[in-house]
Amino acid sequence: TQLLEQSPQFLSIQEGENLTVYCNSSSVFSSLQWYRQEPGEGPVLLVTVVTGGEVKKLKRLTFQFGDARKDSSLHITAAQPGDTGLYLCAGQPIKAAGNKLTFGGGTRVLVKP
Amino acid sequence: GAVVSQHPSWVICKSGTSVKIECRSLDFQATTMFWYRQFPKQSLMLMATSNEGSKATYEQGVEKDKFLINHASLTLSTLTVTSAHPEDSSFYICSARKGRGPYEQYFGPGTRLTVT
Repeated sequence: TQLLEQSPQFLSIQEGENLTVYCNSSSVFSSLQWYRQEPGEGPVLLVTVVTGGEVKKLKRLTFQFGDARKDSSLHITAAQPGDTGLYLCAGQPIKAAGNKLTFGGGTRVLVKP
Repeated sequence: GAVVSQHPSWVICKSGTSVKIECRSLDFQATTMFWYRQFPKQSLMLMATSNEGSKATYEQGVEKDKFLINHASLTLSTLTVTSAHPEDSSFYICSARKGRGPYEQYFGPGTRLTVT
């Protein structure tokens, strides 16, 4: 069982549709990051959420951090083919030592034109 | 900015040889860098944490004599895959931590290693 569970694992939608990706844990995180990775490239940081209940928007992407800081969601409005990629959530549990990130299993998103 | 580069972007080597991969933070100093391995269609698997001027900390199951890590400066870390075998073929990605705030990491573009 992973510390950060992402769902769904795979999502295929048509251009213009909305989608939501979830990142859940039983542990409390000091912050959570969302990354997008395209094939053959490294992950690119999209956003960091720090405060419980925080909502951040990045154009058509909306990120939310749960009140208890145990979960987060990524919502994409009117998805476009350019949104296709592997979405990863990552964070550091409050109780963990060191400064390494724990990654979720990833959600592969395919937006068809 | 927070740009991290990796070199080479891809490499093919013969079984038994060693390969060195470089990771550089181009516009910031990184006291901590990380090395990951990624298998097709899977998430990132942390191999080791590299701290400038000290020995790397390896994750459980990662052979430190197989994957040599050197963090020689605040902007450069290297991963050397020694005596490579076909099962070492993978996508290797480095990242660097910037600043002391939330634990954000900035990733390099990755290196595709193929061992024949």
